Amino acid sequence: KAGVTQTPRYLIKTRGQQVTLSCSPISGHRSVSWYQQTPGQGLQFLFEYFSETQRNKGNFPGRFSGRQFSNSRSEMNVSTLELGDSALYLCASSIDTYEQYFGPGTRLTVT
Amino acid sequence: TQLLEQSPQFLSIQEGENLTVYCNSSSVFSSLQWYRQEPGEGPVLLVTVVTGGEVKKLKRLTFQFGDARKDSSLHITAAQPGDTGLYLCAGQSSGTYKYIFGTGTRLKVLA
Repeated sequence: KAGVTQTPRYLIKTRGQQVTLSCSPISGHRSVSWYQQTPGQGLQFLFEYFSETQRNKGNFPGRFSGRQFSNSRSEMNVSTLELGDSALYLCASSIDTYEQYFGPGTRLTVT
Repeated sequence: TQLLEQSPQFLSIQEGENLTVYCNSSSVFSSLQWYRQEPGEGPVLLVTVVTGGEVKKLKRLTFQFGDARKDSSLHITAAQPGDTGLYLCAGQSSGTYKYIFGTGTRLKVLA
């Protein structure tokens, strides 16, 4: 069974721009969660989607948004990028949030 | 705010030594997971524990969930260089759909 895939793997953007990251979960998994990982803050929960509905949200500003499609694929969008948004963005999928399986992440650098 | 404190933060040991990593919280978790993450990659799930007092073994790794389901430990016997990585614990609270990640333990095993 194929694992979680994330695209792109690496991205360089300029302050003020916006970015969209994509995540394809493991086949059959309906829950997708997004995390931001930085050296200073560790892994921070962004939001979780299940069957196209956002079920839970972390403490991030409204510039961070997401959505999930009917095939369970998910996208995450960050608008008006700031230098502090530079991080590894991780997507995790699960059948019912019991066990999460992570993708390789997207390394975003904001200059 | 729920917190998961891991200790130690950093550990550098010689091949063949034993070690224990701790994950502590004041909150009760319905399940707790351990992950290992290598640089530039997503965390890889090692184990999930759900019952207070539960002990699980994965080759040279032994995981224990505290009786009160507030803490956990990971013990590695005869560490090998391949065990090098960032170890993360993650707890899921009852009735929620998000995980709280620990602060991480960075392990380096020297040959």
